[in-house]
Amino acid sequence: DIQMTQSPSSLSASVGDRVTITCRASQGISNSLAWYQQKPGKAPKLLLYAASRLESGVPSRFSGSGSGTDYTLTISSLQPEDFATYYCQQYSGTPYTFGQGTKLEI
Amino acid sequence: QVQLQESGPGLVKPSGTLSLTCAVSSGSIISSNWWSWVRQPPGKGLEWIGEIYHSGSTNYNPSLKSRVTISVDKSKNQFSLKLTSVTAADTAVYYCARDGSSPYYYMDVWGKGTTVTVS
Repeated sequence: DIQMTQSPSSLSASVGDRVTITCRASQGISNSLAWYQQKPGKAPKLLLYAASRLESGVPSRFSGSGSGTDYTLTISSLQPEDFATYYCQQYSGTPYTFGQGTKLEI
Repeated sequence: QVQLQESGPGLVKPSGTLSLTCAVSSGSIISSNWWSWVRQPPGKGLEWIGEIYHSGSTNYNPSLKSRVTISVDKSKNQFSLKLTSVTAADTAVYYCARDGSSPYYYMDVWGKGTTVTVS
């Protein structure tokens, strides 16, 4: 299985801050990476796929980059609604695997 | 926009079988998409359980493969999950989701989730 390691596990930030979350795969995944946002009691919501492609309707303050084994999610200017838990997921091969999550707190 | 809705018992006895169904609406299960089950234990992260194509082809997580069966009912536009020999460790919110089309197998549509407690 491909292991996905996210860092940090939690992050405190303020409205307006720029934040970056990192996801490292245990082997190369050729940009087959998605990022999700999850709020308490809700299903995950797709933000980006193919490492850097923004899902329709997702604000442009969210961006992704990376290649090989290392990927990042950046939120350029935090808004109040962005405080949530973020997960990366590789879909390079089954079993699809998720990072352990990054909880973004005020 | 395709919508997914999970249904099934919220309480299952230990050693019993967990059975859930995901109804697909505003779209057809016969498409180029695969259809997945994902679960999330209380306070923990996401675990992919497995997926099915409308043809009946499946892929399972090896960690659960011996206990999992995913099936599809094209006539009812739904797919189902069965997990046998459950224990407290199987207590979780269970989500069904639509995978993207090849080669983009991310999950772009999710159900709201259903909580299953093993007790």
